[in-house]
Amino acid sequence: QQQVKQSPQSLIVQKGGISIINCAYENTAFDYFPWYQQFPGKGPALLIAIRPDVSEKKEGRFTISFNKSAKQFSLHIMDSQPGDSATYFCAAISYSSASKIIFGSGTRLSIRP
Amino acid sequence: DSGVTQTPKHLITATGQRVTLRCSPRSGDLSVYWYQQSLDQGLQFLIQYYNGEERAKGNILERFSAQQFPDLHSELNLSSLELGDSALYFCASAVGAGDNNEQFFGPGTRLTVL
Repeated sequence: QQQVKQSPQSLIVQKGGISIINCAYENTAFDYFPWYQQFPGKGPALLIAIRPDVSEKKEGRFTISFNKSAKQFSLHIMDSQPGDSATYFCAAISYSSASKIIFGSGTRLSIRP
Repeated sequence: DSGVTQTPKHLITATGQRVTLRCSPRSGDLSVYWYQQSLDQGLQFLIQYYNGEERAKGNILERFSAQQFPDLHSELNLSSLELGDSALYFCASAVGAGDNNEQFFGPGTRLTVL
């Protein structure tokens, strides 16, 4: 079973700080790496995504850093706000695999005011 | 609001029973995906339908089945339910069949098997 390992399991950051969530994958056959944000009682929502031929993608306060050789990617949330408190999932998608999308185990982020 | 609707919101049933979960995709979306989210297994892809046809299968048990109807709504049928089937079930919809199409998730159905 292809795996995506996500850390930390939970994270507390002060308002205005930088939140960093890390993911590592085992198989090089993945084609697309999205991050999802999930608030309690809601379904996940796509936050930002990156392809493996790009090392960094930035959208507002959210940045994905991608290290293909290390098979690692991370989400950075700059100037973290209380409204960012949610669970974040990384994922890896293989266009050719029947299992399609593999999710990390999730990180519960709490931003302290 | 993602535009994806799921019913019911909560479902409580007993082991051995059968239930049907319903999903209506966003207007214009042809793909429907089903996911299971549980504490021990995390978020797992179950199955995808595109314009009425099964497109991809993930970790879906043989006791589970799904279909997509001509009006594009989809149903996930869970039978011979076990305690371990208790979970949140999400559907998501997307415009196309491709895996890089953004998926919009519904609010989920929380299934409790007693």
